[in-house]
Amino acid sequence: NAGVMQNPRHLVRRRGQEARLRCSPVKGHSHVYWYRQLPEEGLKFMVYLQKENIIDESGMPKERFSAEFPKEGPSILRIQQVVRGDSAAYFCASSPGQALTGELFFGEGSRLTVL
Amino acid sequence: AQTVTQSQPEMSVQEAETVTLSCTYDTSESDYYLFWYKQPPSRQMILVIRQEAYKQQNATENRFSVNFQKAAKSFSLKISDSQLGDAAMYFCAYRSYQGAQKLVFGQGTRLTINP
Repeated sequence: NAGVMQNPRHLVRRRGQEARLRCSPVKGHSHVYWYRQLPEEGLKFMVYLQKENIIDESGMPKERFSAEFPKEGPSILRIQQVVRGDSAAYFCASSPGQALTGELFFGEGSRLTVL
Repeated sequence: AQTVTQSQPEMSVQEAETVTLSCTYDTSESDYYLFWYKQPPSRQMILVIRQEAYKQQNATENRFSVNFQKAAKSFSLKISDSQLGDAAMYFCAYRSYQGAQKLVFGQGTRLTINP
């Protein structure tokens, strides 16, 4: 059984470019969460999505960041006009519709480096 | 909003000894989940142990056990017979039983195992 798949694992962008991070949840999971981890810090919640809907985006910066989880295909976290402060590890997690165990299943993360 | 606090940025323990990591949280809810996740140098988030708030019995997983004090809003992790492979960042996390169901993480505790 495939777990949460994130790609790319590593992404390097120059300031001003766009970064797109993809996340395929565990098969059958309809809830996706994105977290950001700055160096030597904990995971900060960014956004929670269900298929075609954003449920909670309270942790998303107001500008340059967007997320989607289309009916078909992976969830995408998009960062426009990246700045050096966007350098971080971005983790995706998924859960089934019914929180049977409460657990979120995490991907291995995508590490973004902005030059 | 719920908050999770880990007051120990770093801990160290001798191999084969026992160590306890502290976690407190703040919530007005009565039903919720609590978790400990481990993040080794690979940065993969690994679930260590889970506790449901309605259960009075403390969860145990092999060498890992928790001391859940609901009234005190405390959720400590005890690692017995520490092994070199236990070296990692440990994150305490809270998840509502209902509603947005995002995980709220503490700041993390870096655990070092001394051979």
